[in-house]
Amino acid sequence: AQSVTQLGSHVSVSEGALVLLRCNYSSSVPPYLFWYVQYPNQGLQLLLKYTSAATLVKGINGFEAEFKKSETSFHLTKPSAHMSDAAEYFCAVSPSGNTGKLIFGQGTTLQVKP
Amino acid sequence: SQTIHQWPATLVQPVGSPLSLECTVEGTSNPNLYWYRQAAGRGLQLLFYSVGIGQISSEVPQNLSASRPQDRQFILSSKKLLLSDSGFYLCAWSQGHYGYTFGSGTRLTVV
Repeated sequence: AQSVTQLGSHVSVSEGALVLLRCNYSSSVPPYLFWYVQYPNQGLQLLLKYTSAATLVKGINGFEAEFKKSETSFHLTKPSAHMSDAAEYFCAVSPSGNTGKLIFGQGTTLQVKP
Repeated sequence: SQTIHQWPATLVQPVGSPLSLECTVEGTSNPNLYWYRQAAGRGLQLLFYSVGIGQISSEVPQNLSASRPQDRQFILSSKKLLLSDSGFYLCAWSQGHYGYTFGSGTRLTVV
């Protein structure tokens, strides 16, 4: 069965510092992988997705993620954090099949300190 | 372009009362539709998904039910709410493997 593990429920960085949010997945088939961001009391917004093309995926707001099959990882990074990046981030995996169900990690809350 | 509407945004309901949350999608046909619940500190839990009118799959046993009376309408219901039904409910749609588009959510508080 597919699953997603996000390491660290809370991550705190200073403004301008590197952001690194970790995600490891378990999948018996080549996965589709996603990162979403959620601001308080809002829905989820897609940051980026990996669908078996380039292993380095660039998303919105300066975020990117690298698919590493050998490490079963899909970590999210941003070179320089902004205050506006403070939010909750979710990693998700889509197993094969046409229902397109997404399995989410538990989420990581990113705090950005001035 | 495709849009998804979810309402109401917030809801406070007494224990034992009924519930009806509605979600509609515009600009697409025959989407997959989903209901997720987000409880505090517990991530997103898939409750129901639907691949077509009248076709509902339940992911977890619970006090809730879902219906899809029209192609782009998805309804989450309960006959009698429990305190444990409190949470943030998100509707979403997708087509194929290309990810989800989420509604803005409903904050349900059962008192």
